[in-house]
Amino acid sequence: AQSVSQHNHHVILSEAASLELGCNYSYGGTVNLFWYVQYPGQHLQLLLKYFSGDPLVKGIKGFEAEFIKSKFSFNLRKPSVQWSDTAEYFCAGGSQGNLIFGKGTKLSVKP
Amino acid sequence: EPEVTQTPSHQVTQMGQEVILRCVPISNHLYFYWYRQILGQKVEFLVSFYNNEISEKSEIFDDQFSVERPDGSNFTLKIRSTKLEDSAMYFCASNAYNEQFFGPGTRLTVL
Repeated sequence: AQSVSQHNHHVILSEAASLELGCNYSYGGTVNLFWYVQYPGQHLQLLLKYFSGDPLVKGIKGFEAEFIKSKFSFNLRKPSVQWSDTAEYFCAGGSQGNLIFGKGTKLSVKP
Repeated sequence: EPEVTQTPSHQVTQMGQEVILRCVPISNHLYFYWYRQILGQKVEFLVSFYNNEISEKSEIFDDQFSVERPDGSNFTLKIRSTKLEDSAMYFCASNAYNEQFFGPGTRLTVL
């Protein structure tokens, strides 16, 4: 069965710390992978996406993710977080059909 | 920048009542979706809609639910005979180029 799992439920970091949020997928066929962010009280926004090609994907706000096929992973990274990155982050996989979401990782950045 | 809109932002209803959640997708998009997020849980796919018919639905989307595109702009989710466990955020999304754009959500509270 198709699934997306996120390892961390809640991550707490200080400003300027580096971030890596784990995401693993279980998929057959073509893999399209996404990271979405949900700021408090706001809707889901796309951070970045991977369809094919260069496995290192750069997104908005300094985020990037690396697709590692051998590990079935698509981890999200940012070298230096800011207080404004406090939000919930969702990994998702799918195609033009439905998206399957991970449970989300809540990131709290301490100023 | 075009965006997906949803109304109302918050709907409170009594158990057993019917509710209709409304969405206006981005105008040139062809695929539409409903997701829900129960408080503290992951975002779950409910249904996708293309060419005026359901293209895919999840196990959650049973006979209690229905979707409709009554005119050229609106996309609605009807929940008949609401139950307490239907309380959740309901997100509409529309799709172009394999990217789903989400609306701000409707918070449904069933009392």
